[in-house]
Amino acid sequence: RKEVEQDPGPFNVPEGATVAFNCTYSNSASQSFFWYRQDCRKEPKLLMSVYSSGNEDGRFTAQLNRASQYISLLIRDSKLSDSATYLCVGHASGGSYIPTFGRGTSLIVHP
Amino acid sequence: SAVISQKPSRDICQRGTSLTIQCQVDSQVTMMFWYRQQPGQSLTLIATANQGSEATYESGFVIDKFPISRPNLTFSTLTVSNLSPEDSSIYLCSVGESAGGELFFGEGSRLTVL
Repeated sequence: RKEVEQDPGPFNVPEGATVAFNCTYSNSASQSFFWYRQDCRKEPKLLMSVYSSGNEDGRFTAQLNRASQYISLLIRDSKLSDSATYLCVGHASGGSYIPTFGRGTSLIVHP
Repeated sequence: SAVISQKPSRDICQRGTSLTIQCQVDSQVTMMFWYRQQPGQSLTLIATANQGSEATYESGFVIDKFPISRPNLTFSTLTVSNLSPEDSSIYLCSVGESAGGELFFGEGSRLTVL
């Protein structure tokens, strides 16, 4: 079983829609979590950090549920430019903080 | 934020040869990671490049196939040795300025093995 699992999608939504992705993690020692965005043929870039108390940045909201071991990303009022792959990342503790990536969820926003 | 220059951006190699990828960072960073990403797949960690000591490899990756150098806190190389078509992939270097913090990525090196 992979340590970080995501539904690969694709999620195909119209402009203006609200879409949510979940990411589950199996390593309970994971301490910090992030969402990255990766455009086609580009490197991943940080979208936002995920805190236990939730994190909101404009149209994007990220949440962490430690009890159920999942993180979520909510995108409101989807734009065409939101089309990308969204990767969740967990960092396990234990001195090394090795980052583990999910396989990514593909989002396609259409007119 | 760290700025990473990764070279080459792409290359086409014959099987049996080797390719060395360079990663130059504009600041001193403690943590540097090498990833592989095959089309439609997640990033798979190859190894953690440690300055002043041997790299730490993940399961399924060995030093003979993927030798790594980390001579200082701003530079690292990954060599993919004895290339086969299965090595065709994108290779990415990544750095972290703090444990458990944001990662910054190079633009990737797209390798095609004929």
